[in-house]
Amino acid sequence: EAGVAQSPRYKIIEKRQSVAFWCNPISGHATLYWYQQILGQGPKLLIQFQNNGVVDDSQLPKDRFSAERLKGVDSTLKIQPAKLEDSAVYLCASTAVGYEQYFGPGTRLTVT
Amino acid sequence: QKEVEQNSGPLSVPEGAIASLNCTYSDRVSQSFFWYRQYSGKSPELIMSIYSNGDKEDGRFTAQLNKASQYVSLLIRDSHPSDSATYLCAVNPGTASKLTFGTGTRLQVTL
Repeated sequence: EAGVAQSPRYKIIEKRQSVAFWCNPISGHATLYWYQQILGQGPKLLIQFQNNGVVDDSQLPKDRFSAERLKGVDSTLKIQPAKLEDSAVYLCASTAVGYEQYFGPGTRLTVT
Repeated sequence: QKEVEQNSGPLSVPEGAIASLNCTYSDRVSQSFFWYRQYSGKSPELIMSIYSNGDKEDGRFTAQLNKASQYVSLLIRDSHPSDSATYLCAVNPGTASKLTFGTGTRLQVTL
């Protein structure tokens, strides 16, 4: 069974630029999550989708971050404009039933 | 008070010893508990889940849960140098399937 796919793996941008990350969950997994992990910290949930609907986006900085999962499968997370403090690893995870979440390899974002 | 607390470490144990990793959580309604292993530069990997009080064993790993004390632990028996990683405790606070993570404990297994 293929795991969670993410791209790109690395991205370097300048502040005030925009960036987008893509995630394809494990086949059949209805729930998809985006996390932000800053160095030395645990992952922090940004947004949770159930199929193509948003379940929780309470910690998403909506003035600059947006995410969509239009067809209930893959998802895109966008940052516009980026700030220095957005430098982090962006992790996508998915789950079928229950709460066991499986993570993709992540995208390491560096904002200069 | 942080929702999920872990000692950041590093916790250093010799090869072959038992490593004991601890986690406390603040939300009493939490239902599900997970341990993830994260190697440097890699993403978290699920190694254990536990849902009821007591012990759950899987190979060299044992998860222990005490809901009354709001405490969950992970024991790693016969530690190998390859176990050296950061171990993240994650808790489902009872709202949908959202997880709250601790900051992780860095484990070093020495030769």
